[in-house]
Amino acid sequence: DQQVKQNSPSLSVQEGRISILNCDYTNSMFDYFLWYKKYPAEGPTFLISISSIKDKNEDGRFTVFLNKSAKHLSLHIVPSQPGDSAVYFCAASGGSNYKLTFGKGTLLTVNP
Amino acid sequence: DAGITQSPRYKITETGRQVTLMCHQTWSHSYMFWYRQDLGHGLRLIYYSAAADITDKGEVPDGYVVSRSKTENFPLTLESATRSQTSVYFCASRFGQGNQPQHFGDGTRLSIL
Repeated sequence: DQQVKQNSPSLSVQEGRISILNCDYTNSMFDYFLWYKKYPAEGPTFLISISSIKDKNEDGRFTVFLNKSAKHLSLHIVPSQPGDSAVYFCAASGGSNYKLTFGKGTLLTVNP
Repeated sequence: DAGITQSPRYKITETGRQVTLMCHQTWSHSYMFWYRQDLGHGLRLIYYSAAADITDKGEVPDGYVVSRSKTENFPLTLESATRSQTSVYFCASRFGQGNQPQHFGDGTRLSIL
């Protein structure tokens, strides 16, 4: 039972355009959502997060949107840069044990 | 600022052997976690710890043992390695209460022949 789903294994965009990565979840107890970026041979790096009391959080070129009724969140990167090429993981947590449940990841390729 | 470090970065061993992966963090974070990353599965939680001497199972704990005698260290032991445990292992930590991100080490690539 996959509680966090990233249905697109890969995404390719042109430099300067918008990248939109999507994530769906099924567990209504999740109340904190995160995006991580991962380069090959490195650990995941925290990118941005959002609490369920908000529907948008912005940090520079990165914006996360949360639609609680649809159990859907998305990460927007504007403008996309070649250095953004990486695997992006969506993660969620809820309750007091602070465990994260991860999606399978989306490989983003930004073409110059 | 060392953060969180894992050792070794690469390890090759044989089935049936015991192997221990080390994780050390310098932030004095309360929580520590072990994940494995496999193709088609993303990151799956093996074990986690809320504080020294407090550990609990995650999604895929079978075949693994953890301990946490000191806040800064969280070793993961495969008591009798199997080929299905070939994977990339990540350690993570986070600060105490509330909504906080986990911070990851660079991983250990473990191959079991």
